[in-house]
Amino acid sequence: DAGVIQSPRHEVTEMGQEVTLRCKPISGHNSLFWYRQTMMRGLELLIYFNNNVPIDDSGMPEDRFSAKMPNASFSTLKIQPSEPRDSAVYFCASSFRASELAKNIQYFGAGTRLSVL
Amino acid sequence: KNQVEQSPQSLIILEGKNCTLQCNYTVSPFSNLRWYKQDTGRGPVSLTIMTFSENTKSNGRYTATLDADTKQSSLHITASQLSDSASYICVVSALGGTYKYIFGTGTRLKVLA
Repeated sequence: DAGVIQSPRHEVTEMGQEVTLRCKPISGHNSLFWYRQTMMRGLELLIYFNNNVPIDDSGMPEDRFSAKMPNASFSTLKIQPSEPRDSAVYFCASSFRASELAKNIQYFGAGTRLSVL
Repeated sequence: KNQVEQSPQSLIILEGKNCTLQCNYTVSPFSNLRWYKQDTGRGPVSLTIMTFSENTKSNGRYTATLDADTKQSSLHITASQLSDSASYICVVSALGGTYKYIFGTGTRLKVLA
């Protein structure tokens, strides 16, 4: 398996533009996570999907952020309009959640480094 | 408030030496604790996962320990190699929210030749 695939790897855009980040989870996984990582705050969970359904989006910073998972093999994170403070590395991770108590190992993609000028 | 604190923030050691990274948490009720390794420009990779009943877990030269009573964990790296240079992140999850992981800010390790 190729692992979790994210695209693009790098994105540079101007303030006010729409940005779309893409993620292909590992085949067979039923849970998908979007994280944001900055030097100051470390890794923060933005949203969590289980079986393609958003379970918890309380980490999404503002209405400018939205995420979709139209099927088990694809998810997007969209920022519209983008702002300089959105600059960060965005990670997608997937896992197979067998139960509440299972260890549910998360596998991370390589991330998308976003710079908003 | 659920928190995970790691120390030191950064560490520089010579190749071949051992080192120990610390993680203290206040997450309750505790479900499991993970250590991740994150190379520069890459996503985190799981090293070990420990539940309440596990005191130690090894993965090659990496050995994690857990003291659930004092809510402390450590990651010991034996005979360090240049490739161990990375950030090491401690992550704790609580029962009733195993999808919600509380991340530490990591320890940045640099191994010098």
